[in-house]
Amino acid sequence: SQTIHQWPATLVQPVGSPLSLECTVEGTSNPNLYWYRQAAGRGLQLLFYSVGIGQISSEVPQNLSASRPQDRQFILSSKKLLLSDSGFYLCAWEAGGGELFFGEGSRLTVL
Amino acid sequence: QKEVEQDPGPLSVPEGAIVSLNCTYSNSAFQYFMWYRQYSRKGPELLMYTYSSGNKEDGRFTAQVDKSSKYISLFIRDSQPSDSATYLCAMRKGAGSYQLTFGKGTKLSVIP
Repeated sequence: SQTIHQWPATLVQPVGSPLSLECTVEGTSNPNLYWYRQAAGRGLQLLFYSVGIGQISSEVPQNLSASRPQDRQFILSSKKLLLSDSGFYLCAWEAGGGELFFGEGSRLTVL
Repeated sequence: QKEVEQDPGPLSVPEGAIVSLNCTYSNSAFQYFMWYRQYSRKGPELLMYTYSSGNKEDGRFTAQVDKSSKYISLFIRDSQPSDSATYLCAMRKGAGSYQLTFGKGTKLSVIP
């Protein structure tokens, strides 16, 4: 069966520091992968999606970037965090029918 | 008009009640409809996935889609305290569309 892992689960970072969130999927090959951000009262916002290694599409201009160095690895990064980057970040993979399966999330607080 | 509207609640019901959760949408291009359950500080968990109009049942959960009214529902029978969570509706336009549009979620509490 397929599983998705995200880490770290929680982190507190100062403004201006770098960020790296990692996501890996097991049990499937060449999945479409997604990064979402969930802010209180604002719903789920699509940040990036990837259809393959090195193929990244950005939905929202922002202080973040994404990379897919391996088939089942998706990384969300920032060189310098802003206060507005705080939120709950979710990685997801897409099954054959188009439904998304989410990881447990990474909660980022920028101080 | 927002593409997907969902009453944020909170909705509080007694244990054993039938719960009805709803979303309306404005874009007739949506064809795939999903319901997710999200416990506090956890990732969303897919509950139901339906294509086009009709009903789908899975245990205590029933999803309904009425495309003519642009209205989808999730019914929970014999609700349990463990059903207390936020429920998100989501929809997609079609194959090859990467954008899932989510409602903002309805917070449900089932009181023992």
